[in-house]
Amino acid sequence: QQQVKQSPQSLIVQKGGISIINCAYENTAFDYFPWYQQFPGKGPALLIAIRPDVSEKKEGRFTISFNKSAKQFSLHIMDSQPGDSATYFCAASMDTGRRALTFGSGTRLQVQP
Amino acid sequence: SAVISQKPSRDICQRGTSLTIQCQVDSQVTMMFWYRQQPGQSLTLIATANQGSEATYESGFVIDKFPISRPNLTFSTLTVSNMSPEDSSIYLCSVEDPPWREQYFGPGTRLTVT
Repeated sequence: QQQVKQSPQSLIVQKGGISIINCAYENTAFDYFPWYQQFPGKGPALLIAIRPDVSEKKEGRFTISFNKSAKQFSLHIMDSQPGDSATYFCAASMDTGRRALTFGSGTRLQVQP
Repeated sequence: SAVISQKPSRDICQRGTSLTIQCQVDSQVTMMFWYRQQPGQSLTLIATANQGSEATYESGFVIDKFPISRPNLTFSTLTVSNMSPEDSSIYLCSVEDPPWREQYFGPGTRLTVT
């Protein structure tokens, strides 16, 4: 019940296209859903996060869509750029009990020029 | 956001030895976490380290192998003891930044055990 399932494992998008990464969770106690971006040799960087009281959050070219009933959330990267090429991780945590993040398996995004 | 530094950034160690990794934060934080990221894999929580209490370890990780100290609100150490090649990983510390529970990560320590 602690798992967060992420897909796809890898993604190739043309410059200017939309990148979409999906995650699903089982534990309904999760109430915080961040996305992280990681470049090779670097620690994960917080990109954007959402809580279940909203269905969508947008920051610049990055949007999280959240479907509470389906227990799914997704990251959309609009106008994808070669500089967006990185590994993206979804994660989830809960306010009580285990506050640490449970991570998805990661998606390696490659944006072709 | 909190700024986190880790030392060393990388190390190559011999089998059977121990390495202590330091994590320093530029502000006082209650909750700190240690994660392991094996090559090409996702992040796995090793333990939660709160100041003033014993670290809480996840299933599969034990205190004898990964002792943790948390002497104050800005610093923590993780020791990887009696290392084997299977311990070769990136070790990351993170902190929870109140009040919105955002978690920030350090740059990681890349450990290779030969």
